[in-house]
Amino acid sequence: DVKVTQSSRYLVKRTGEKVFLECVQDMDHENMFWYRQDPGLGLRLIYFSYDVKMKEKGDIPEGYSVSREKKERFSLILESASTNQTSMYLCATKGSTGSTYEQYFGPGTRLTVT
Amino acid sequence: AQSVSQHNHHVILSEAASLELGCNYSYGGTVNLFWYVQYPGQHLQLLLKYFSGDPLVKGIKGFEAEFIKSKFSFNLRKPSVQWSDTAEYFCAVNARTGRRALTFGSGTRLQVQP
Repeated sequence: DVKVTQSSRYLVKRTGEKVFLECVQDMDHENMFWYRQDPGLGLRLIYFSYDVKMKEKGDIPEGYSVSREKKERFSLILESASTNQTSMYLCATKGSTGSTYEQYFGPGTRLTVT
Repeated sequence: AQSVSQHNHHVILSEAASLELGCNYSYGGTVNLFWYVQYPGQHLQLLLKYFSGDPLVKGIKGFEAEFIKSKFSFNLRKPSVQWSDTAEYFCAVNARTGRRALTFGSGTRLQVQP
């Protein structure tokens, strides 16, 4: 079974803090993704990575950055957290470089910025 | 760029009722289609997927979906719902070429009353 873990289930941070969300997978998947999930908006792609040290912007990258130094780990960074970044953050992975494989999701981190 | 529309935001059914959740996508090329489910407090998991072949696909827990290319639709169905089907359902699409990430619809919250 694919296992995708995220460092925290719940996180509370103050406005202006630097926030790190970590995602680790154990299946040697090339592709990793960060989404945020908001009620009524579904999941929106923030960033993704298809290889170590490679990254691409998704649909809503503003205010976020990412790091992928090792294949199994993909970090999402909020440089200066703001209240509009309060959300559920989901990490996902996908094997192969083709498009016909499903994504596997972690349990999510619910971030509250006060 | 692709987009996905789920027109039913909140559906309330009684047990044993039949279910159909609508999903329409917009994209000019060939796509892969998915339905994911998120049970309360749990992570997203795959219900079913369509890549090619028979447009009627069967998934877990008695769910099925039909791809109608001419209507750009991929509606989810279940003949008789159970209380345990209470969850949020997301339709997603990715193009066969280009971006590897999924584009999600806004989700449909299904509430099944006993």
